[in-house]
Amino acid sequence: DTEVTQTPKHLVMGMTNKKSLKCEQHMGHRAMYWYKQKAKKPPELMFVYSYEKLSINESVPSRFSPECPNSSLLNLHLHALQPEDSALYLCASSQDQSSSLNSGNTIYFGEGSWLTVV
Amino acid sequence: SQKIEQNSEALNIQEGKTATLTCNYTNYSPAYLQWYRQDPGRGPVFLLLIRENEKEKRKERLKVTFDTTLKQSLFHITASQPADSATYLCALPGAGSYQLTFGKGTKLSVIP
Repeated sequence: DTEVTQTPKHLVMGMTNKKSLKCEQHMGHRAMYWYKQKAKKPPELMFVYSYEKLSINESVPSRFSPECPNSSLLNLHLHALQPEDSALYLCASSQDQSSSLNSGNTIYFGEGSWLTVV
Repeated sequence: SQKIEQNSEALNIQEGKTATLTCNYTNYSPAYLQWYRQDPGRGPVFLLLIRENEKEKRKERLKVTFDTTLKQSLFHITASQPADSATYLCALPGAGSYQLTFGKGTKLSVIP
């Protein structure tokens, strides 16, 4: 079982709704990530938080708003999404962002949240 | 930017045989390369990491090789079982970056 917990597992929302995806890890990791994955495609990086600060935003539309309340929690706030945003949203964590270039940045993924925008 | 190619979208093999999956990359050679397993509807699970100065890495029935001259990694599953059926992703860090980029994956089906 993964040590990265995501809720909810499934979410259906309308284009005018506001919802949030939540992620939690208790491995003491200081880097946390949001990935988006469409069917038969690889995970694509959206955001990276390092020591609770946003360090990477891969040109993600503003209708996706990440938040890192503390080192164990990561949220993704959703507002005014489009049907094409329907996908599996994966949260992940790693030891930290910078020290792993030589040792390997092993990423631990959650089970994902299936999002359907109608 | 780094381009990653996994040789085939799908691979079917008979139970008990060795499955071999290929990951090729272009441009710069990464400091390391990783392999992940992903089951349908679930997040990827880390399997193995191999560094650029390592030729081969093993873990139980899994073996990974890394040829920086060919810019290629091979992932082998020996004595394959139906439970090994999944999509296998290779992943590499970007140049000067710690972020992993994933290949499209190869869907392995082990037929009883």
